[in-house]
Amino acid sequence: QKEVEQDPGPLSVPEGAIVSLNCTYSNSAFQYFMWYRQYSRKGPELLMYTYSSGNKEDGRFTAQVDKSSKYISLFIRDSQPSDSATYLCAMSEYTGGFKTIFGAGTRLFVKA
Amino acid sequence: GAGVSQSPRYKVAKRGQDVALRCDPISGHVSLFWYQQALGQGPEFLTYFQNEAQLDKSGLPSDRFFAERPEGSVSTLKIQRTQQEDSAVYLCASSARRGLAYEQFFGPGTRLTVL
Repeated sequence: QKEVEQDPGPLSVPEGAIVSLNCTYSNSAFQYFMWYRQYSRKGPELLMYTYSSGNKEDGRFTAQVDKSSKYISLFIRDSQPSDSATYLCAMSEYTGGFKTIFGAGTRLFVKA
Repeated sequence: GAGVSQSPRYKVAKRGQDVALRCDPISGHVSLFWYQQALGQGPEFLTYFQNEAQLDKSGLPSDRFFAERPEGSVSTLKIQRTQQEDSAVYLCASSARRGLAYEQFFGPGTRLTVL
């Protein structure tokens, strides 16, 4: 079993829909939780990060962390065709350390 | 300013050849990470530098993989005697922070194909 599990999709939604992306994890030591967006043939770019549990909102994006369930989510409101990309969850331990564990990524298609 | 750059963007190697992949981090960033991303997968950690010191190389898959950052800026990932299973995109990321891994800025990657 992988440390971080993420449904690879693809997920296809109409423009304007609310998108829900999720990851589960097994390592209770994870403290930092990130969401990256990766366009085809590009490097990942950081969308949001959250420390420990709770919610964080940034524009159309909301990140949620439930450490008791070892479950994190990213919600995208009013989805746009430009949101079509692969979304990667990522996590790391608070040890000053260096290793970030990524999920496999979910491919999202937003249809105009 | 410029972001993280990597070269070459594409590399085709015959099995058994040695390759060298270059990463130019954002100027002044102390932390540098290398990742390997197989098709349809997320990036997998290879190694981490803080300035010129390689503090974690636990993700390097074999002793054929070697990374260096001699002056604390540009880094090179070298793969000796390439094998077909080495085919992947190799991503470099840099961060202004020491250790904590959440503010990484990624380069576009080098796509390595081993024939």
